[in-house]
Amino acid sequence: QVQLVQSGAEVKKPGASVKVSCKASGYTFNSHGISWVRQAPGQGLEWMGWISAYNGNTKYAQKVQGRVTMTTDTSTSTAYMELRSLRSDDTAVYYCARDEILWLVSHDGMDVWGQGTTVTVSS
Amino acid sequence: DIVMTQSPLSLPVTPGEAASISCRSSQSLLHSNGYNYVDWYLQKPGQSPQLLIYLGSNRASGVPDRFSGSGSGTDFTLKINRVQAEDVGVYYCMQGLHTPRTFGQGTKLEIK
Repeated sequence: QVQLVQSGAEVKKPGASVKVSCKASGYTFNSHGISWVRQAPGQGLEWMGWISAYNGNTKYAQKVQGRVTMTTDTSTSTAYMELRSLRSDDTAVYYCARDEILWLVSHDGMDVWGQGTTVTVSS
Repeated sequence: DIVMTQSPLSLPVTPGEAASISCRSSQSLLHSNGYNYVDWYLQKPGQSPQLLIYLGSNRASGVPDRFSGSGSGTDFTLKINRVQAEDVGVYYCMQGLHTPRTFGQGTKLEIK
């Protein structure tokens, strides 16, 4: 079945970096994109950015631009989200979700979600 | 950033009755291609979000036809007919037209 499986929980100190992986299966990886969405404890959803697994194009939220890098490895059908210079307010559950292959061209929602990765930033 | 405002934020519903959630955006979400770039998601307790509706009114695969989306421009509605116990959770609207994508605050549906 179609699924996204994310890497395990992380605990990081302020100023460190974290890299979360998202392994896809059950579909043609480079026929879709991947978005990353996070959720701080007890809060709502926040979209961080999108990457096309077809051509590597990206869109980032300005709030994290400069600190985030999204990449894909088509040989392993895996997407990655690296967030640098971590702060306490980056503590959240990070989700990957299957998304459109080309921005605004083939939008059919974020239809498959990973299980979430808890990232805790604490000194 | 586009602001998505949902109402109500809390929605107690008797099983079998209908429920409606409103979502208003600070700018039009109507693309030149004629589609409204609004999605609806449900996050059940302890779970990842799941897609219900995309492009304003299209039900995602496997979503019961009790769920329907409508609206255009800046005003959108999610309607749930014959609410069931399994529908509890937080409902979010999201705009996908402008970068960054933004979500509404969420509407918590509970069963009376």
